Amino acid sequence: DAGITQSPRHKVTETGTPVTLRCHQTENHRYMYWYRQDPGHGLRLIHYSYGVKDTDKGEVSDGYSVSRSKTEDFLLTLESATSSQTSVYFCAISEYAYRDEQYFGPGTRLTVT
Amino acid sequence: GQQVMQIPQYQHVQEGEDFTTYCNSSTTLSNIQWYKQRPGGHPVFLIQLVKSGEVKKQKRLTFQFGEAKKNSSLHITATQTTDVGTYFCAGGTQGGSEKLVFGKGTKLTVNP
Repeated sequence: DAGITQSPRHKVTETGTPVTLRCHQTENHRYMYWYRQDPGHGLRLIHYSYGVKDTDKGEVSDGYSVSRSKTEDFLLTLESATSSQTSVYFCAISEYAYRDEQYFGPGTRLTVT
Repeated sequence: GQQVMQIPQYQHVQEGEDFTTYCNSSTTLSNIQWYKQRPGGHPVFLIQLVKSGEVKKQKRLTFQFGEAKKNSSLHITATQTTDVGTYFCAGGTQGGSEKLVFGKGTKLTVNP
């Protein structure tokens, strides 16, 4: 498995609180992605990064922000968590863009009560 | 925006039966990738197809990319219990987009 870790692995939080999820890679890959996975929806892209300080929105970016200050770290922040953001969040990395395989992290299960 | 439709959503088979999942895109794809996610796990890359009409095999798995590069299929011959999981296709679009669009996946269960 590629060197990708996500923290925390599980989190329960209350509506309205800020939450930050961390993705850390040891592969020095340029591209990093955040997806959410919900039953019946598959994997949906939230945000992605194509370099340090270079990020762009995916298809479900509302309510989420990201930051990448170092090659190895990609942070996903929920400024004010809502119950609709209860999901499993996966980070992924790739060396190139869409023509390269993506390596996924183990996931973070987030519950917003 | 680009959509990738995947069918069926669920498939239950007896061990030894064959299984096929299909992906269709509303736009021409530059490439398509297939991933497998075991229950409780994370998606794992299986293969990538980039050429029109391309066929690739991995043991009992056969992957096809359509001539128009708008559809793809994954066929498993003689399923085994180890094939259980959700199979996702993901398409990349021509024109410079740096994102893959994933289908919703087909969840395969195998009855021993």
